Amino acid sequence: DTGVSQDPRHKITKRGQNVTFRCDPISEHNRLYWYRQTLGQGPEFLTYFQNEAQLEKSRLLSDRFSAERPKGSFSTLEIQRTEQGDSAMYLCASSFDLTGNTEAFFGQGTRLTVV
Amino acid sequence: AQRVTQPEKLLSVFKGAPVELKCNYSYSGSPELFWYVQYSRQRLQLLLRHISRESIKGFTADLNKGETSFHLKKPFAQEEDSAMYYCALRAASGSRLTFGEGTQLTVNP
Repeated sequence: DTGVSQDPRHKITKRGQNVTFRCDPISEHNRLYWYRQTLGQGPEFLTYFQNEAQLEKSRLLSDRFSAERPKGSFSTLEIQRTEQGDSAMYLCASSFDLTGNTEAFFGQGTRLTVV
Repeated sequence: AQRVTQPEKLLSVFKGAPVELKCNYSYSGSPELFWYVQYSRQRLQLLLRHISRESIKGFTADLNKGETSFHLKKPFAQEEDSAMYYCALRAASGSRLTFGEGTQLTVNP
């Protein structure tokens, strides 16, 4: 599968623990996005990168959340001191976007359950 | 602020019947509108976008700026169309997608 890859697919953690998710975008895609999806809702934008630069962050991204894309390839999303409200599907997407007019390809997501 | 509304969470039709999934948006500028689909156990994927003005899998959608709508239509639904459908908006020159809550379409035999 040469699409967007996310790891792990599922994560169960205890409240207060830190978790880190990884996203590998489609090769040579310069833009990478993180979204969060809770049950019964559509995906909600969290943040995006163009190459290694984080260009936009949603106010949903509290100070417990941090995302990086150190070499402009894969990205990590870390949640510190997890809370039950963090339980959701975390989606990554990538695009090759020079004109603002291209398709975003999504990964299969990481499902986080905080107990 | 931008917002996308899909008034129907669930929609059920019979095979061969016409189907229309409603999408309304609010945005002060000129948006790009998309329909994404998620089949069971598969990832979210783009179905169509308004600037392409094309038909994909028999689906079409017309952007109506006067009514701020982007309804998805298919004249004859097939069982394989059963899926979750999300309408999404991207602001002009923006990057983020704003999604609606989704409509679960079930096509019954």
